[in-house]
Amino acid sequence: GAVVSQHPSWVICKSGTSVKIECRSLDFQATTMFWYRQFPKQSLMLMATSNEGSKATYEQGVEKDKFLINHASLTLSTLTVTSAHPEDSSFYICSATAQVRGYTFGSGTRLTVV
Amino acid sequence: AQSVSQHNHHVILSEAASLELGCNYSYGGTVNLFWYVQYPGQHLQLLLKYFSGDPLVKGIKGFEAEFIKSKFSFNLRKPSVQWSDTAEYFCAVNKGGGADGLTFGKGTHLIIQP
Repeated sequence: GAVVSQHPSWVICKSGTSVKIECRSLDFQATTMFWYRQFPKQSLMLMATSNEGSKATYEQGVEKDKFLINHASLTLSTLTVTSAHPEDSSFYICSATAQVRGYTFGSGTRLTVV
Repeated sequence: AQSVSQHNHHVILSEAASLELGCNYSYGGTVNLFWYVQYPGQHLQLLLKYFSGDPLVKGIKGFEAEFIKSKFSFNLRKPSVQWSDTAEYFCAVNKGGGADGLTFGKGTHLIIQP
Protein backbone atom coordinates (compact mmCIF):
# COMPACT_ATOMS: atom_id res chain seq x y z
CA GLY A 1 0.00 0.00 0.00
CA ALA A 2 0.89 3.65 -0.27
CA VAL A 3 3.27 4.85 2.43
CA VAL A 4 4.15 8.39 3.43
CA SER A 5 7.16 9.02 5.62
CA GLN A 6 7.40 12.18 7.65
CA HIS A 7 10.59 13.32 9.36
CA PRO A 8 11.39 14.21 12.04
CA SER A 9 8.67 12.76 14.24
CA TRP A 10 9.40 15.33 16.89
CA VAL A 11 11.61 18.39 17.18
CA ILE A 12 12.38 20.98 19.83
CA CYS A 13 13.80 24.27 18.69
CA LYS A 14 14.61 27.64 20.15
CA SER A 15 12.44 30.63 19.47
CA GLY A 16 13.61 32.51 16.40
CA THR A 17 15.14 29.54 14.63
CA SER A 18 13.77 27.71 11.59
CA VAL A 19 12.71 24.10 11.38
CA LYS A 20 12.31 21.96 8.27
CA ILE A 21 9.91 19.03 8.12
CA GLU A 22 10.12 16.50 5.30
CA CYS A 23 7.31 14.48 3.78
CA ARG A 24 8.15 11.66 1.40
CA SER A 25 5.98 9.30 -0.55
CA LEU A 26 7.93 6.07 -0.44
CA ASP A 27 6.29 3.85 -2.99
CA PHE A 28 4.33 6.17 -5.22
CA GLN A 29 4.65 9.51 -6.93
CA ALA A 30 2.54 12.14 -5.26
CA THR A 31 1.16 14.73 -7.60
CA THR A 32 -0.23 16.69 -4.69
CA MET A 33 0.79 16.98 -1.07
CA PHE A 34 -1.10 18.64 1.73
CA TRP A 35 0.08 20.08 5.03
CA TYR A 36 -2.15 20.10 8.08
CA ARG A 37 -1.79 21.42 11.58
CA GLN A 38 -3.38 19.83 14.61
CA PHE A 39 -3.69 21.59 17.93
CA PRO A 40 -4.05 19.49 21.09
CA LYS A 41 -7.44 17.82 21.27
CA GLN A 42 -8.56 19.59 18.14
CA SER A 43 -9.05 18.71 14.53
CA LEU A 44 -6.65 18.85 11.63
CA MET A 45 -6.66 22.17 9.84
CA LEU A 46 -5.52 22.30 6.24
CA MET A 47 -2.65 24.77 5.90
CA ALA A 48 -1.64 24.46 2.28
CA THR A 49 -1.71 22.39 -0.86
CA SER A 50 1.42 21.85 -2.89
CA ASN A 51 1.80 20.50 -6.37
CA GLU A 52 5.12 19.34 -7.71
CA GLY A 53 6.97 22.13 -9.44
CA SER A 54 4.58 24.91 -8.59
CA LYS A 55 3.91 27.31 -5.76
CA ALA A 56 1.88 26.10 -2.85
CA THR A 57 -1.67 27.29 -2.32
CA TYR A 58 -2.22 28.47 1.24
CA GLU A 59 -5.48 28.46 3.14
CA GLN A 60 -6.86 31.71 4.40
CA GLY A 61 -5.10 32.88 7.52
CA VAL A 62 -1.93 30.86 6.98
CA GLU A 63 1.18 33.01 6.65
CA LYS A 64 3.04 31.91 3.54
CA ASP A 65 6.21 33.68 4.64
CA LYS A 66 6.23 31.82 7.93
CA PHE A 67 5.36 28.40 6.58
CA LEU A 68 7.48 27.85 3.49
CA ILE A 69 6.50 24.88 1.39
CA ASN A 70 8.64 23.35 -1.30
CA HIS A 71 7.53 20.46 -3.50
CA ALA A 72 10.63 19.88 -5.56
CA SER A 73 9.89 16.37 -6.72
CA LEU A 74 7.02 13.93 -7.00
CA THR A 75 8.15 12.18 -3.84
CA LEU A 76 9.22 15.00 -1.55
CA SER A 77 7.61 18.06 -0.02
CA THR A 78 9.10 20.13 2.77
CA LEU A 79 7.55 22.52 5.25
CA THR A 80 9.87 25.06 6.83
CA VAL A 81 8.64 26.94 9.86
CA THR A 82 10.65 30.15 9.79
CA SER A 83 11.49 32.23 12.83
CA ALA A 84 9.53 29.87 15.01
CA HIS A 85 7.73 31.12 18.09
CA PRO A 86 6.08 29.22 20.93
CA GLU A 87 2.66 29.72 19.34
CA ASP A 88 3.89 27.69 16.35
CA SER A 89 4.20 24.67 18.61
CA SER A 90 1.83 22.10 17.23
CA PHE A 91 1.48 18.77 15.49
CA TYR A 92 2.11 19.03 11.75
CA ILE A 93 0.87 16.30 9.43
CA CYS A 94 1.41 15.84 5.73
CA SER A 95 -0.71 13.91 3.30
CA ALA A 96 0.02 12.81 -0.23
CA THR A 97 -2.17 11.77 -3.08
CA ALA A 98 -1.42 10.25 -6.43
CA GLN A 99 -4.99 9.88 -7.50
CA VAL A 100 -8.02 12.05 -7.21
CA ARG A 101 -9.53 9.90 -4.53
CA GLY A 102 -6.74 8.54 -2.36
CA TYR A 103 -4.98 10.25 0.53
CA THR A 104 -2.17 8.79 2.57
CA PHE A 105 -1.08 10.49 5.77
CA GLY A 106 2.32 10.75 7.36
CA SER A 107 2.81 10.01 11.02
CA GLY A 108 3.16 13.66 11.93
CA THR A 109 5.79 15.90 13.48
CA ARG A 110 5.47 17.27 16.98
CA LEU A 111 7.08 20.72 17.02
CA THR A 112 7.87 22.38 20.32
CA VAL A 113 9.31 25.87 20.29
CA VAL A 114 10.97 26.95 23.53
CA ALA B 1 -16.48 26.60 2.12
CA GLN B 2 -17.44 23.26 3.51
CA SER B 3 -17.51 22.41 7.19
CA VAL B 4 -17.85 19.20 9.17
CA SER B 5 -19.57 18.74 12.49
CA GLN B 6 -19.05 15.76 14.75
CA HIS B 7 -21.60 15.77 17.53
CA ASN B 8 -19.89 13.65 20.13
CA HIS B 9 -16.50 14.75 21.37
CA HIS B 10 -16.15 11.96 23.90
CA VAL B 11 -17.86 8.61 23.88
CA ILE B 12 -17.40 5.85 26.42
CA LEU B 13 -18.80 2.40 25.73
CA SER B 14 -18.42 -1.07 27.08
CA GLU B 15 -17.11 -3.89 24.93
CA ALA B 16 -19.74 -5.47 22.65
CA ALA B 17 -21.87 -2.34 22.70
CA SER B 18 -23.04 -0.88 19.42
CA LEU B 19 -21.49 2.34 18.18
CA GLU B 20 -22.78 5.21 16.14
CA LEU B 21 -20.77 8.40 15.68
CA GLY B 22 -22.52 11.32 14.07
CA CYS B 23 -21.11 13.42 11.26
CA ASN B 24 -22.80 16.21 9.37
CA TYR B 25 -21.31 18.37 6.67
CA SER B 26 -22.28 21.59 5.07
CA TYR B 27 -21.65 21.87 1.37
CA GLY B 28 -24.22 22.09 -1.36
CA GLY B 29 -22.35 20.33 -4.11
CA THR B 30 -21.03 16.85 -4.69
CA VAL B 31 -18.79 15.64 -1.92
CA ASN B 32 -16.43 12.85 -1.07
CA LEU B 33 -16.74 11.64 2.51
CA PHE B 34 -14.22 9.90 4.72
CA TRP B 35 -13.81 8.45 8.17
CA TYR B 36 -10.33 8.19 9.64
CA VAL B 37 -9.11 6.62 12.85
CA GLN B 38 -6.08 7.71 14.84
CA TYR B 39 -4.82 5.26 17.43
CA PRO B 40 -2.67 6.69 20.23
CA GLY B 41 0.73 7.63 18.89
CA GLN B 42 -0.07 6.57 15.36
CA HIS B 43 -0.91 8.27 12.10
CA LEU B 44 -4.33 8.64 10.57
CA GLN B 45 -5.71 5.51 8.95
CA LEU B 46 -8.58 5.40 6.52
CA LEU B 47 -11.57 3.45 7.80
CA LEU B 48 -13.82 3.97 4.83
CA LYS B 49 -14.79 6.45 2.15
CA TYR B 50 -17.75 7.36 0.02
CA PHE B 51 -17.58 8.87 -3.46
CA SER B 52 -20.68 7.63 -5.22
CA GLY B 53 -22.94 4.62 -5.61
CA ASP B 54 -24.28 2.58 -2.72
CA PRO B 55 -24.74 5.00 0.19
CA LEU B 56 -23.96 2.24 2.68
CA VAL B 57 -20.22 1.89 2.76
CA LYS B 58 -18.35 -0.89 4.47
CA GLY B 59 -14.85 -0.31 5.73
CA ILE B 60 -12.14 -2.05 7.62
CA LYS B 61 -12.38 -3.53 11.12
CA GLY B 62 -16.14 -4.04 10.86
CA PHE B 63 -17.02 -0.37 10.49
CA GLU B 64 -19.63 0.95 8.11
CA ALA B 65 -21.13 4.34 7.35
CA GLU B 66 -24.28 5.51 5.63
CA PHE B 67 -24.45 8.58 3.45
CA ILE B 68 -27.83 10.27 3.73
CA LYS B 69 -27.79 13.11 1.26
CA SER B 70 -31.01 14.70 2.46
CA LYS B 71 -29.59 14.99 5.95
CA PHE B 72 -26.06 15.89 4.90
CA SER B 73 -24.92 13.09 7.17
CA PHE B 74 -22.35 10.33 7.09
CA ASN B 75 -22.62 8.51 10.40
CA LEU B 76 -20.15 5.82 11.38
CA ARG B 77 -21.42 2.57 12.88
CA LYS B 78 -20.12 -0.66 14.31
CA PRO B 79 -22.45 -3.30 15.74
CA SER B 80 -20.09 -4.56 18.44
CA VAL B 81 -17.06 -2.61 19.58
CA GLN B 82 -13.86 -4.01 21.01
CA TRP B 83 -11.37 -2.61 23.47
CA SER B 84 -8.94 -2.14 20.58
CA ASP B 85 -11.33 0.36 18.98
CA THR B 86 -10.28 2.93 21.55
CA ALA B 87 -9.02 5.81 19.41
CA GLU B 88 -9.80 9.20 17.94
CA TYR B 89 -12.22 9.18 15.01
CA PHE B 90 -12.36 11.92 12.41
CA CYS B 91 -14.95 12.56 9.75
CA ALA B 92 -13.69 14.47 6.71
CA VAL B 93 -15.04 15.83 3.47
CA ASN B 94 -13.79 17.35 0.26
CA LYS B 95 -15.44 18.52 -2.88
CA GLY B 96 -16.29 15.70 -5.19
CA GLY B 97 -14.42 15.38 -8.44
CA GLY B 98 -11.41 17.28 -7.24
CA ALA B 99 -8.17 16.62 -5.44
CA ASP B 100 -8.64 19.21 -2.75
CA GLY B 101 -7.40 18.87 0.77
CA LEU B 102 -9.77 17.51 3.37
CA THR B 103 -11.90 19.43 5.81
CA PHE B 104 -11.98 17.53 9.08
CA GLY B 105 -14.44 17.45 11.92
CA LYS B 106 -13.14 18.04 15.43
CA GLY B 107 -12.95 14.35 16.14
CA THR B 108 -14.55 11.97 18.60
CA HIS B 109 -12.51 10.38 21.33
CA LEU B 110 -13.85 6.88 21.78
CA ILE B 111 -13.00 4.90 24.87
CA ILE B 112 -14.00 1.26 25.12
CA GLN B 113 -14.06 -0.17 28.58
CA PRO B 114 -13.28 -3.87 28.93
